[in-house]
Amino acid sequence: GGIITQTPKFLIGQEGQKLTLKCQQNFNHDTMYWYRQDSGKGLRLIYYSITENDLQKGDLSEGYDASREKKSSFSLTVTSAQKNEMAVFLCASSMDNTGQLYFGEGSKLTVL
Amino acid sequence: SQWGEENLQALSIQEGEDVTMNCSYKTYTTVVQWYRQKSGKGPALIILIRSNEREKRSGRLRATLDTSSQSSSLSITGTLATDTAVYFCATDSNTGYQNFYFGKGTSLTVIP
Repeated sequence: GGIITQTPKFLIGQEGQKLTLKCQQNFNHDTMYWYRQDSGKGLRLIYYSITENDLQKGDLSEGYDASREKKSSFSLTVTSAQKNEMAVFLCASSMDNTGQLYFGEGSKLTVL
Repeated sequence: SQWGEENLQALSIQEGEDVTMNCSYKTYTTVVQWYRQKSGKGPALIILIRSNEREKRSGRLRATLDTSSQSSSLSITGTLATDTAVYFCATDSNTGYQNFYFGKGTSLTVIP
């Protein structure tokens, strides 16, 4: 089995600050994802990447940047944190076109 | 965009009861995935049903798919307190298998 590790688990920042979340997977999966989970809402896709150095925008990419430095890692940057984007950010990966997603435990963002 | 979306619900039942959750989606999907998310954890796939299947079983879980009405259901028989979680359905988009849409989830509490 493998694991997805997200760091940090909790991130507190100031409004307007640039904040970065990191994700590592040891499944050797090609595709990685960043989702945002707001309370009472479903998961919304921010970015995904089908291979190293590839980036594809999701529905919620505005205000975020992403980077796929290598196959095993995928980072997400909040370019200017806002109070209305306090949420849990979930990283996931998938291997093939069965589409099963494997998720990390999430990073909770609080903006002061 | 509202693929793979069920209305946010909160259900509370007694241990041992059966429960069914529903999911409706608005465009064609090749697969419906059901995920379970326990408190403080990331979602985990519990059952996947493809568009050419009408029913899928896995232990106490049963998923159905009706492509004509674009709806899916997840049933759990003989619920346990450990089934307490939020359950999401996810459907794929017609832009490619690597992009999934999640519903808002059903929060299930099983009282021991």
